[in-house]
Amino acid sequence: AQSVTQPDIHITVSEGASLELRCNYSYGATPYLFWYVQSPGQGLQLLLKYFSGDTLVQGIKGFEAEFKRSQSSFNLRKPSVHWSDAAEYFCAVGAKAAGNKLTFGGGTRVLVKP
Amino acid sequence: KAGVTQTPRYLIKTRGQQVTLSCSPISGHRSVSWYQQTPGQGLQFLFEYFSETQRNKGNFPGRFSGRQFSNSRSEMNVSTLELGDSALYLCASSLLQQNTEAFFGQGTRLTVV
Repeated sequence: AQSVTQPDIHITVSEGASLELRCNYSYGATPYLFWYVQSPGQGLQLLLKYFSGDTLVQGIKGFEAEFKRSQSSFNLRKPSVHWSDAAEYFCAVGAKAAGNKLTFGGGTRVLVKP
Repeated sequence: KAGVTQTPRYLIKTRGQQVTLSCSPISGHRSVSWYQQTPGQGLQFLFEYFSETQRNKGNFPGRFSGRQFSNSRSEMNVSTLELGDSALYLCASSLLQQNTEAFFGQGTRLTVV
């Protein structure tokens, strides 16, 4: 069975600084990987996804993520954080032949200091 | 194109009652998945329906059930509510049968008192 670990529960970053959120997954084959963002009381919005091909993927809102098979990681990055990026971020993995079921990490809450 | 619509947005129920939540997927999407989100357990997969058939089921008791209609709209039902069922229930729709991105609704906040 697949699993996802997000080691950082909370991250505080200054506005304008860079951000990196860590995600490690466990899955026997090539996974399908996603990053979602959730604002308080809201649903999840897809930031980006990796299915195959180029290991550096670009998403919305200036985010990017890099798939590293050797490290079983899919870290999310943004060069310059805006106050509106304060939210909770979830990494998720989908398994081939498991339909559209997603397994989520525990989430990382990002606080942005002015 | 309208997004995923979940109704109602908020619900308060008493222990022992049952509840039905509704989800209308994006037009043309045939897969609907349900997730439970709680502070303690995070986001957990409940079940997925595709073309009116349940394809995947998470590790939840039989009190949790669902169905999908021919127009792809889905409902989930929780019977004999317990305090621990208080959660945000999220519905996600996907276009194809598998391995396609999921679009989430805003969720239904269920409070059991």
